[in-house]
Amino acid sequence: AQSVAQPEDQVNVAEGNPLTVKCTYSVSGNPYLFWYVQYPNRGLQFLLKYITGDNLVKGSYGFEAEFNKSQTSFHLKKPSALVSDSALYFCAAVDRGSTLGRLYFGRGTQLTVWP
Amino acid sequence: KAGVTQTPRYLIKTRGQQVTLSCSPISGHRSVSWYQQTPGQGLQFLFEYFSETQRNKGNFPGRFSGRQFSNSRSEMNVSTLELGDSALYLCASRVAGANTGELFFGEGSRLTVL
Repeated sequence: AQSVAQPEDQVNVAEGNPLTVKCTYSVSGNPYLFWYVQYPNRGLQFLLKYITGDNLVKGSYGFEAEFNKSQTSFHLKKPSALVSDSALYFCAAVDRGSTLGRLYFGRGTQLTVWP
Repeated sequence: KAGVTQTPRYLIKTRGQQVTLSCSPISGHRSVSWYQQTPGQGLQFLFEYFSETQRNKGNFPGRFSGRQFSNSRSEMNVSTLELGDSALYLCASRVAGANTGELFFGEGSRLTVL
């Protein structure tokens, strides 16, 4: 079965410190990988994606993600966290051989950045 | 360019009723997907439409249905509502044919079933 795992329900970091939100996947083939962010009572906002090429992907708001094929991981990172980064983060994958509208999402990680 | 628009944003229904939710995709986007988000189950795929045809369907009972119109706008319907149908229903669109898979989500329709 296709799945995406986010092993941490919550991540707490101090403002200015680096942050990492972990994600591993089990999706057939070479999936496309994504990170989305959700603020309270809002939809999902796209942050970044991995399609092919460089294992370090840069996205919106200073976020980046590191793809590791051997570990089937796609961890989200930011060098210096802001209080405004506090939100719910979702990792997602899609089988690139599929119709691409069906993403497999992790359960989400609640990031809290404290001042 | 306007984003994905979902209506209504909030609605309250009682068990046994039915509900119709609407989604207008980003202009030029021809593929529309629907997801259900609940605290217990997370984000679950409902279905995907392209050119008025359902291309993919998740593991939901037949009470959940959808359709897409020639202008790419989509609706989903839930009949005989149950308490467990209370959720945030998210619609997403993308440029079909683009091989990146990136979805753009609407703000969602929050359904409460009493």
